[in-house]
Amino acid sequence: DADVTQTPRNRITKTGKRIMLECSQTKGHDRMYWYRQDPGLGLRLIYYSFDVKDINKGEISDGYSVSRQAQAKFSLSLESAIPNQTALYFCATSDIGTPYEQYFGPGTRLTVT
Amino acid sequence: GENVEQHPSTLSVQEGDSAVIKCTYSDSASNYFPWYKQELGKGPQLIIDIRSNVGEKKDQRIAVTLNKTAKHFSLHITETQPEDSAVYFCAAGLRSGGNEKLTFGTGTRLTIIP
Repeated sequence: DADVTQTPRNRITKTGKRIMLECSQTKGHDRMYWYRQDPGLGLRLIYYSFDVKDINKGEISDGYSVSRQAQAKFSLSLESAIPNQTALYFCATSDIGTPYEQYFGPGTRLTVT
Repeated sequence: GENVEQHPSTLSVQEGDSAVIKCTYSDSASNYFPWYKQELGKGPQLIIDIRSNVGEKKDQRIAVTLNKTAKHFSLHITETQPEDSAVYFCAAGLRSGGNEKLTFGTGTRLTIIP
């Protein structure tokens, strides 16, 4: 969905490195989310933000941190990457009135060697 | 928290036949059940949803059913076409602690055989 963009689309990094994944949206939504997708495990919520000052942990937040720089920008950081963080990462947004109708970005494929 | 199970994990059907994907959820307070379709190289996209006060909803070739008593819901695709090939995720929406959260199933890879 061109309304939600993620950078980079692919990244290979080494164990122990710090890495940041960025998400931008033009939908004007207040709510933003970071999910991780692994084969056979579906989509799992890492962090979510309901506005710039509201950040919440999801079910698998350990090893991750986030920053909501503006309504339109939400970044995910891996402070010290490890191989089991190799996954497909998705950013999503939703409107406050329809919180379950989420719009996903194209994903970032991250490989940690 | 909520737990969503989805079956089957893979499904192959002949073009023109029907496909059914089933999900169960654990928390009876869940009240919104969307289905997302993920095409290769793209993010999931909402294709249909159903609320807990409705038993069935249809949109052209796709339909969803919900059985609140049994806590399961299903996606039905009729007259399947090659463009229906994708990974499908069910989800359950639950309001907890003032926040609304979606819990996703593990996905079904649907392949339409020409």
